[in-house]
Amino acid sequence: QQQVKQSPQSLIVQKGGISIINCAYENTAFDYFPWYQQFPGKGPALLIAIRPDVSEKKEGRFTISFNKSAKQFSLHIMDSQPGDSATYFCAASSGSARQLTFGSGTQLTVLP
Amino acid sequence: DVKVTQSSRYLVKRTGEKVFLECVQDMDHENMFWYRQDPGLGLRLIYFSYDVKMKEKGDIPEGYSVSREKKERFSLILESASTNQTSMYLCASRPRRDRGLKIRYEQYFGPGTRLTVT
Repeated sequence: QQQVKQSPQSLIVQKGGISIINCAYENTAFDYFPWYQQFPGKGPALLIAIRPDVSEKKEGRFTISFNKSAKQFSLHIMDSQPGDSATYFCAASSGSARQLTFGSGTQLTVLP
Repeated sequence: DVKVTQSSRYLVKRTGEKVFLECVQDMDHENMFWYRQDPGLGLRLIYFSYDVKMKEKGDIPEGYSVSREKKERFSLILESASTNQTSMYLCASRPRRDRGLKIRYEQYFGPGTRLTVT
């Protein structure tokens, strides 16, 4: 049973455009929502994370929007660059758990 | 910087072989994890360990076992490799939650081992 559903599976955006990746969760006990970025040949690395007590978190060109009532969160990449081309994973965890539950991943391609 | 290393980047094994995947981290992290990554399925947790000699099953433990004899090393074992275990295997580590770090839940990943079972 997939507890974190991610869409789209793949995304192609022009340079300078906005990339949007969406995730939905079911477990209301989740209280930590990170996004990981993975380049080819590398392991995933933490990009940005949010807790449910805020509706938005911004770090540079990357923003997480969080809708607690809808149990959804999304990653927005503003002014997308070819160097942003990677696979992005959303994830979720609860306070008592040590592990993360990952979404299925989105392969982002930013065209020059 | 945290460094998580995995013993092999690519590995080819035959069906029925016993396979060992090794992971070492250099940051004295208590928690270590093994995932497999498959297209369209994301990262699925196989096993994790929260202390030396301690282990817990993840979401897909069938066909796998683990060993953690030392804090820095976490091994994944395929007792009898099968073709459906062909995948990318990722190791990760994370400090204990009460370390007081700014990002307590961050997991640090190794580069992965691409295993092919023929």
